[in-house]
Amino acid sequence: VQLVQSGGGSIQPGGSLRLSCAISGFTVTSNYFGWVRQPPGKGLEWVSVTYSDGSSYYAESVKGRFSVSRDTSKDLVFLQMNSLRAEDTAVYYCARVAAGPSGSRFDLWGQGALVTVSS
Amino acid sequence: SYVLTQAPSVSVAPGQTARITCGGNRIGDKGVHWYQQKAGQAPLLIIYEDDDRPSGIPERISGSNSGDTATLTISRVEAGDEADYYCQVWDGNSYFALFGGGTKLTVL
Repeated sequence: VQLVQSGGGSIQPGGSLRLSCAISGFTVTSNYFGWVRQPPGKGLEWVSVTYSDGSSYYAESVKGRFSVSRDTSKDLVFLQMNSLRAEDTAVYYCARVAAGPSGSRFDLWGQGALVTVSS
Repeated sequence: SYVLTQAPSVSVAPGQTARITCGGNRIGDKGVHWYQQKAGQAPLLIIYEDDDRPSGIPERISGSNSGDTATLTISRVEAGDEADYYCQVWDGNSYFALFGGGTKLTVL
């Protein structure tokens, strides 16, 4: 059971980048997934959550610029990042979301992918 | 908007007890989750729903939540516990997760 990420790198401001999260040991369609980012030397920041029906919700800081999609045949989750800004520079983690009676948590994490936005 | 407040750092000697707090308005009404993040690694869930431990997390790690403060307690601290610790809640009405700013635990 693991999440394996790929797709990070360096990009100029205004550019686009897509991160991938490969799921093994369970399926995309029966689970919720989230993306969490961590700017260098700083704390964790929630980015998005995607439910098993494919619906997604986003933090205000990325709404309208980032979007999540899934390839259910390959158990892949993608984070498409457009109109990137310097402040989007961070390590991005995909994580499985486990729902609970008093709130959801992130119970399995990918290894992270560094995205650097700089001219 | 809701805010979770954590002290930036806590220091404790080996063998002693570390208490890391997470403050929020009536946080006792919410489920609080805790993550441990060691240097260069992804976060690891260590406490969920205030006081439950995932499989593999030792019993000397515990959590509590009441009033305006949730607390992560690490008993018999070891050098390997040195890490950043984050609390997290979920706003089900707005569909978003919120993290505290994190506390760096230093083992003296």
